Amino acid sequence: NAGVTQTPKFRVLKTGQSMTLLCAQDMNHEYMYWYRQDPGMGLRLIHYSVGEGTTAKGEVPDGYNVSRLKKQNFLLGLESAAPSQTSVYFCASSLAGGPADTQYFGPGTRLTVL
Amino acid sequence: GQNIDQPTEMTATEGAIVQINCTYQTSGFNGLFWYQQHAGEAPTFLSYNVLDGLEEKGRFSSFLSRSKGYSYLLLKELQMKDSASYLCAAPLSDSNYQLIWGAGTKLIIKP
Repeated sequence: NAGVTQTPKFRVLKTGQSMTLLCAQDMNHEYMYWYRQDPGMGLRLIHYSVGEGTTAKGEVPDGYNVSRLKKQNFLLGLESAAPSQTSVYFCASSLAGGPADTQYFGPGTRLTVL
Repeated sequence: GQNIDQPTEMTATEGAIVQINCTYQTSGFNGLFWYQQHAGEAPTFLSYNVLDGLEEKGRFSSFLSRSKGYSYLLLKELQMKDSASYLCAAPLSDSNYQLIWGAGTKLIIKP
């Protein structure tokens, strides 16, 4: 039982390049989330998914796209990377979307955009 | 508006007790979470409070006062491994359970 995994762990991009971050969970969770974490700020929700085939925007969705083709996977795409997207990206999942549902986090992807 | 405030950094001594405070403003109330995050690692769940009062889990306890919009995490018998950031989070509103997160309190433990 690996929990939540993310690939890659580190990545350096040049401005304008694209990339996809992969998140996978083996806990059969319905909800999945993508956050970014920047110094001095709380985790900010980018996009989330309430189930296979569905996605929704979070607090800071601009410049990102997501897909959830399979229940266990949640992909985050950057079509044209900008230096402002330099951050640590965390994927999380929860059994459901209730207020008491614990979110389980992946180890993070450290992205630098030059 | 919705907001969560925590102190940026705290320092404590190994073996001592420390209290990390969190104040929140959300539309409605649906509980409050505490997570621990070691440097370079993922946040991990510590506690969830929805009722007023103190809940104890070993060396860690979490307190909630809904009337004051206030919570604290109490860490006893501090160990060096407790050096980490502690994140406070709460659901946005009664209809939106997405979490709003505090910036975290970095706890430094000194020998």
